[in-house]
Amino acid sequence: DSGVTQTPKHLITATGQRVTLRCSPRSGDLSVYWYQQSLDQGLQFLIQYYNGEERAKGNILERFSAQQFPDLHSELNLSSLELGDSALYFCASSAGRAGGLQETQYFGPGTRLLVL
Amino acid sequence: GDSVTQMEGPVTLSEEAFLTINCTYTATGYPSLFWYVQYPGEGLQLLLKATKADDKGSNKGFEATYRKETTSFHLEKGSVQVSDSAVYFCALSDIQGGSEKLVFGKGMKLTVNP
Repeated sequence: DSGVTQTPKHLITATGQRVTLRCSPRSGDLSVYWYQQSLDQGLQFLIQYYNGEERAKGNILERFSAQQFPDLHSELNLSSLELGDSALYFCASSAGRAGGLQETQYFGPGTRLLVL
Repeated sequence: GDSVTQMEGPVTLSEEAFLTINCTYTATGYPSLFWYVQYPGEGLQLLLKATKADDKGSNKGFEATYRKETTSFHLEKGSVQVSDSAVYFCALSDIQGGSEKLVFGKGMKLTVNP
């Protein structure tokens, strides 16, 4: 158990809909990262938050957004969903003492999203 | 940009066989290198890492050496067990503009039979 929790574990929805994925980092960790794992694209970095502020952006679509709240949990919002958004979405956290640099990232169990 | 290329498999081995999973990388700087493992139904776990050239990471009988001259970080284990069945990801850390992200290879599924 990494100490990172994600909810829900599974999500089934329809095209055009909007969903919110939630992540609670390990106790005391300040940095949160979101990754998407799909069969065709593999595991890709989406976005990083550090202590409530956006820190880095990867291959995140404009239809997707995220935020980190004062209690350090994070939410990833996916809107206007398409079939191709079906994937496993992982959250990871790190201590953030160095702003996330050169720190081990601990991954949650993931949320499996299926868009029908 | 930075990238990681690794054996994709799937690979099936018998228990006690020798395992090598090749991983090479392309990076403009001096990244840290990682191997992550994903057991069925679980998230990724850090298996081992190396932060500079010639460093050797090791854990649970697995080893990998950071080879700058060949830009490689091959994973090895002398004798695999059924419990090693998982997907293995090679990754590097890409630091740009004061922030860091992990860049992953496509993963390799390993099945170990008794």
